[in-house]
Amino acid sequence: SQQGEEDPQALSIQEGENATMNCSYKTSINNLQWYRQNSGRGLVHLILIRSNEREKHSGRLRVTLDTSKKSSSLLITASRAADTASYFCATYLQGAQKLVFGQGTRLTINP
Amino acid sequence: DAGITQSPRHKVTETGTPVTLRCHQTENHRYMYWYRQDPGHGLRLIHYSYGVKDTDKGEVSDGYSVSRSKTEDFLLTLESATSSQTSVYFCAIMGLAGVNEQFFGPGTRLTVL
Repeated sequence: SQQGEEDPQALSIQEGENATMNCSYKTSINNLQWYRQNSGRGLVHLILIRSNEREKHSGRLRVTLDTSKKSSSLLITASRAADTASYFCATYLQGAQKLVFGQGTRLTINP
Repeated sequence: DAGITQSPRHKVTETGTPVTLRCHQTENHRYMYWYRQDPGHGLRLIHYSYGVKDTDKGEVSDGYSVSRSKTEDFLLTLESATSSQTSVYFCAIMGLAGVNEQFFGPGTRLTVL
């Protein structure tokens, strides 16, 4: 079964607005990562947040992690058309050397 | 794509035929992974490798085998392809130890008729 589940499955907003995606997971993790996938391409790593961190920023990206609720959110501020893509959370399990991916959120930025 | 190539990029084959997909990396990474991506399922791990001749199963390994005889190459074989194996296959490597992020290849689109 999927470790990470994302919400919403699809999100459509206007350029310039903020986009928020959520991820829930089931078991203890070492870290949680977010990836972006443009249509027809491989995934690209965006940001990693460790289990002992609560918030992390990278450019227009802000990630939060709540280990008590087993959830994370990815905020993209001031969205651009180029942000149109699918976004996946992935959990790195303690004791393992592998990631478990969620089903992804398809984000569409309308000009 | 962090020096990761996949071949072929596209393949159409018939049910029952064997198929081998190749992943090649140029940066001597220890960990390599094969995923499949299907609508509604995200990415699911098929097999992974933690060194030459060291491999382990992922969550959807049935019908697939892998081999890693050299650090740079990780092969995924479908012994007898079925229509349910129609998918996009991604290879990935894990970056620096302690960092855990993965870098992905461009993908192989496989269609089994």
